Amino acid sequence: DAKTTQPPSMDCAEGRAANLPCNHSTISGNEYVYWYRQIHSQGPQYIIHGLKNNETNEMASLIITEDRKSSTLILPHATLRDTAVYYCIVRVNDYKLSFGAGTTVTVRA
Amino acid sequence: GAVVSQHPSWVICKSGTSVKIECRSLDFQATTMFWYRQFPKQSLMLMATSNEGSKATYEQGVEKDKFLINHASLTLSTLTVTSAHPEDSSFYICSAQLAGGYEQYFGPGTRLTVT
Repeated sequence: DAKTTQPPSMDCAEGRAANLPCNHSTISGNEYVYWYRQIHSQGPQYIIHGLKNNETNEMASLIITEDRKSSTLILPHATLRDTAVYYCIVRVNDYKLSFGAGTTVTVRA
Repeated sequence: GAVVSQHPSWVICKSGTSVKIECRSLDFQATTMFWYRQFPKQSLMLMATSNEGSKATYEQGVEKDKFLINHASLTLSTLTVTSAHPEDSSFYICSAQLAGGYEQYFGPGTRLTVT
């Protein structure tokens, strides 16, 4: 699987949008971009995934650049409960997930 | 939907004993389940992949005779840590992949402490 690069940490204000970047410059054509998050001492939670089109669900939006070398996860209205480690993973479907260090997001009141 | 449970949520055992951790998909069938380990302040490390009815595939460096995995049904996988030692103390997390799907759904994790 291709490697990803994420900032180690970021802060955001409660109620504002949180934009989480991820670089995956070596992504292959058949690899999807997945986002998971892990709240302290819990199992990871699936957020969203996409191949090349932008995706949106009830939790977040995923914006993938046209060359697919980077993406941004957007939490539209961050709450304190969104404080977590966010993992960006590229993966061929039906294959194992490989977790990197992720971005520790702290939402502040 | 897509709920995965683990039991127990935490366990303390003495060095040299064995501990079994269960992972269940509650509302879906999972042909594939995964076991991860997470040490404090580190990311998740995949230990093994198990497919229902067949032997598990272990990642490099994971001792298959120490970490026994059984995936006897489409809703249950178990991880047994045999002859546990203090260095096996960790957070063990399972995930289950929907039959015919690609998303993995994770359990809440099991905190193992070996004294």
